[in-house]
Amino acid sequence: GQSLEQPSEVTAVEGAIVQINCTYQTSGFYGLSWYQQHDGGAPTFLSYNALDGLEETGRFSSFLSRSDSYGYLLLQELQMKDSASYFCAALQGGKLIFGQGTELSVKP
Amino acid sequence: DVKVTQSSRYLVKRTGEKVFLECVQDMDHENMFWYRQDPGLGLRLIYFSYDVKMKEKGDIPEGYSVSREKKERFSLILESASTNQTSMYLCASSSIRDSHNEQFFGPGTRLTVL
Repeated sequence: GQSLEQPSEVTAVEGAIVQINCTYQTSGFYGLSWYQQHDGGAPTFLSYNALDGLEETGRFSSFLSRSDSYGYLLLQELQMKDSASYFCAALQGGKLIFGQGTELSVKP
Repeated sequence: DVKVTQSSRYLVKRTGEKVFLECVQDMDHENMFWYRQDPGLGLRLIYFSYDVKMKEKGDIPEGYSVSREKKERFSLILESASTNQTSMYLCASSSIRDSHNEQFFGPGTRLTVL
């Protein structure tokens, strides 16, 4: 089957660094995306990795290793507003297959 | 700013009713998608469309149909609503020219079937 695995919950303190891992099993894999969703809001795009390596966008970075079928989202200098759900999603033939989401709680 | 709008934020229907959920995007995107989101299950793709009058089944199409008569509009139809279709429904769109394949989501419709 096709699936993505990510932790269901992560807790961290303000100012810290947190890493959310994602492993995938999909055929016809093109790349890995990350989306953020605040409670009651719509998912919003954070990053996309088509190639192996690290992509950095401000406080957020995303990593992909195709050989390991693995990626992660790294959030630095955590802020309270980063409390949200984070979804990894595999791009397959123009459509996305989403993981179940990781709920990140940032504590003061 | 890309905007994806959905016809209702909240909807309550009765079992057996025919339900229409409408989605409109204003960025001339070719691709449009319908998902449902349930706690602990993430977003699951119901149907998607790459062009006008084209449709493809996603992972959970049973009990649903779609219509795309115009490029900007993608409708999800529940032919005979059932209680297990109570969920949050999210519409999204994307451009084939976007190398990041970013999908832009609407605010969602929370459907309750009684």
